[in-house]
Amino acid sequence: AQTVTQSQPEMSVQEAETVTLSCTYDTSESDYYLFWYKQPPSRQMILVIRQEAYKQQNATENRFSVNFQKAAKSFSLKISDSQLGDAAMYFCAYRRRSGNTPLVFGKGTRLSVIA
Amino acid sequence: KAGVTQTPRYLIKTRGQQVTLSCSPISGHRSVSWYQQTPGQGLQFLFEYFSETQRNKGNFPGRFSGRQFSNSRSEMNVSTLELGDSALYLCASSPPDRTNYGYTFGSGTRLTVV
Repeated sequence: AQTVTQSQPEMSVQEAETVTLSCTYDTSESDYYLFWYKQPPSRQMILVIRQEAYKQQNATENRFSVNFQKAAKSFSLKISDSQLGDAAMYFCAYRRRSGNTPLVFGKGTRLSVIA
Repeated sequence: KAGVTQTPRYLIKTRGQQVTLSCSPISGHRSVSWYQQTPGQGLQFLFEYFSETQRNKGNFPGRFSGRQFSNSRSEMNVSTLELGDSALYLCASSPPDRTNYGYTFGSGTRLTVV
């Protein structure tokens, strides 16, 4: 079974600084998707960024970028120029590309942004 | 375009009762998935419905059930509630070509069992 591990339960960052959230996963599949979701106090899970395993290029979305290391099964999220609105729970998630399989989530990292 | 709508936002129920939660997906989305979120276990997959058929099921007891209607709206039901069922229940919908887009989540229903 696939598992996703986020080893940092809590992180903090100064406003305007950069922070990196870690995620590792375990799978025997070669073709899959990886996601980072943000869950603010409003509770809605918001897709931040996704990565397709067959693409070597790391995904970027504005201030958010990932470092995808397929061989190491590592998928970290870098947030640049951190803003107060970035404070939230961040979840790393995995899904196999083929078949009707659900998202598998890590336990999350709570990010605090200090003004 | 309206997002995923979950009702109610909050529920308080007594042990032994049953509860029904509702989820209206984004228009055009035919797949609806349900997740249970707790501080201890994190996000756990309950089930997925597609075109009124359960397509996938997580490892939850039979007290947890769901269904999907012809308009893609979905309900989940929990019977004989236990204290441990207290959680945030999240619903997510995805378009027919779901692989590229992950899921769009609602804001959840916070269920408290007392």
